Amino acid sequence: DAGVIQSPRHEVTEMGQEVTLRCKPISGHDYLFWYRQTMMRGLELLIYFNNNVPIDDSGMPEDRFSAKMPNASFSTLKIQPSEPRDSAVYFCASSSTSPAYQETQYFGPGTRLLVL
Amino acid sequence: AQSVTQLDSHVSVSEGTPVLLRCNYSSSYSPSLFWYVQHPNKGLQLLLKYTSAATLVKGINGFEAEFKKSETSFHLTKPSAHMSDAAEYFCVVSGNSGYALNFGKGTSLLVTP
Repeated sequence: DAGVIQSPRHEVTEMGQEVTLRCKPISGHDYLFWYRQTMMRGLELLIYFNNNVPIDDSGMPEDRFSAKMPNASFSTLKIQPSEPRDSAVYFCASSSTSPAYQETQYFGPGTRLLVL
Repeated sequence: AQSVTQLDSHVSVSEGTPVLLRCNYSSSYSPSLFWYVQHPNKGLQLLLKYTSAATLVKGINGFEAEFKKSETSFHLTKPSAHMSDAAEYFCVVSGNSGYALNFGKGTSLLVTP
């Protein structure tokens, strides 16, 4: 398996622009997580899905952030409008309810976002 | 609520000497505990996990961790550090809801020649 795939790997944009981050989880995994990592706040869980349904979005910082999972193999995290303080590395992770893999999350390589 | 505290934000060791990264956890039930490693500009990789089986857990690259319920600790160790071990290490506990995880702040491991 190719692992969790994220795109783009790097994104530079200007304040006010819309940013869309993409994630393809490992095939067969039924949980998908979005994290944000900054020097100041460390690794924060933004939202997670189970079987394409958002379960907990309490970590989403504000209404400018939205996430969707239209099917089992694709999710997006959108920021509109973007602000400089959104600059961070955004990780996607997936996991499976299969007992052999219970609770183990597999991370993608991350998207490094810079908002100017 | 489930949480972890990584007791050291930075640890520096010489190559070939033992590594000890300390982690204490807080949980209202028997938790699942993990250590993840993040090399510079990379994603997070699972090192090892404890899920109520053997208290001494062996992971990849020679790392191991011991679950001590009486001390609420899950320290990560390695007998002999290698230069390639230099990275950020995260102690993680399973969260309150479903499969969410709670991450520690991380410990940066520096390995000197």
